[in-house]
Amino acid sequence: DIVLTQSPDSLAVSLGERATINCKSSQSVLYSSNNKNYLGWYQQKPGQPPKVLIYWASTRESGVPDRFSGSGSATDFTLTISSLQAEDVAVYYCQQYYGIPYTFGQGTKLEIK
Amino acid sequence: QVQLQQSGPGLVKPSQTLSLTCAISGDSVSSNSAAWNWIRQSPSRGLEWLGRTYYRSKWNNDYAVSVKSRIIINPDTSKNHFSLQLNSVTPEDTGVYYCTRTSDGKWDYWGQGILVTVSS
Repeated sequence: DIVLTQSPDSLAVSLGERATINCKSSQSVLYSSNNKNYLGWYQQKPGQPPKVLIYWASTRESGVPDRFSGSGSATDFTLTISSLQAEDVAVYYCQQYYGIPYTFGQGTKLEIK
Repeated sequence: QVQLQQSGPGLVKPSQTLSLTCAISGDSVSSNSAAWNWIRQSPSRGLEWLGRTYYRSKWNNDYAVSVKSRIIINPDTSKNHFSLQLNSVTPEDTGVYYCTRTSDGKWDYWGQGILVTVSS
């Protein structure tokens, strides 16, 4: 199974500041035939299902604010929130869909400092 | 707008079968571009993908090895839904169960989630 390890486990950032969450994969999730990274980022608020923010590692889902961005390739990925807003308090997960079983990172809890 | 509506019991006895249904509106379970998944979430196991069903000229299923001997995911084209059956449950199967759609690499629509507790 592909193991995704997120860092840090929790993060406190001031409003308006940048938040960065990392995701490291135990093997490459880059599919060479189409040059796509099979990795997504999800936001989950209490009592709600996860919500897709980013897919193909860097494609922002429609309706997601442009302060959210994804980067990285192969085994190392980053989710960046450029200017933290109060509504961004949540748990964030990376997820790979390169190989079955699809797997998720352990989650990063983002709070306001 | 796609919507997924989950239904099923919230309490199941050990050794019995967990059965959930996910009703689809705004898309078809027979879509050639989507897959239909079950995921569960618990404090001890985090988010765990259980399996999927999808149609590409024929029906296909994939299951996580951890539950492969106990799980069946079935599409029902007449009702436009898909179901999860997990046999021989133990307290370790307690968690919030979600159905989801995947399309073009994104898990874009989720059911509301059902907390299933395995307890006598």
